[in-house]
Amino acid sequence: GNSVTQMEGPVTLSEEAFLTINCTYTATGYPSLFWYVQYPGEGLQLLLKATKADDKGSNKGFEATYRKETTSFHLEKGSVQVSDSAVYFCALRTYHPVEGSSNTGKLIFGQGTTLQVKP
Amino acid sequence: SQTIHQWPATLVQPVGSPLSLECTVEGTSNPNLYWYRQAAGRGLQLLFYSVGIGQISSEVPQNLSASRPQDRQFILSSKKLLLSDSGFYLCAWSADWQETQYFGPGTRLLVL
Repeated sequence: GNSVTQMEGPVTLSEEAFLTINCTYTATGYPSLFWYVQYPGEGLQLLLKATKADDKGSNKGFEATYRKETTSFHLEKGSVQVSDSAVYFCALRTYHPVEGSSNTGKLIFGQGTTLQVKP
Repeated sequence: SQTIHQWPATLVQPVGSPLSLECTVEGTSNPNLYWYRQAAGRGLQLLFYSVGIGQISSEVPQNLSASRPQDRQFILSSKKLLLSDSGFYLCAWSADWQETQYFGPGTRLLVL
């Protein structure tokens, strides 16, 4: 079945450090891939997305490249800030539905990775 | 622009009591609507989705139900809450199944 696996957290970094949060997926068909961010006490916000292989999503200094050969979508940022402290979720949405079902737009999420950035 | 609202923001309920959480979307018509739950220490799980008024699909068997009485209103309900219903409930909308989903601020539910 379809699934997303993220590296376990929490990830603790000093300000201006380089960030990588690993995300790998298993999916049938051709999934779209997403990173969502959840700041303390808030709902989820879309951070970036990629809809096909080799696409690079980017936003707010974060980047992730859709790697079909390694089924990965790792999140990176060159220099983190204290304000980046949040929970990051990797997610996929399959393009081709399971036979017999309809397209729902269902997002399948990883378990989330907590990032703590210290000044 | 489109906005999505959820209320209440926080709710503490005793076991066995009923539940009604509301989600409304503004600035769009005929959206796909979704209810997700985030249990403590776990990822998000899709509970229900709706592609139109009165059309509800359930993803997992549970103690909850959903309704869509109006185009941009999505309600999550329970007749009798269980302790395991505690969690963070997020509503989301998208223009179509293949479009980006946008999430509301969430409702934090604690069942005691």
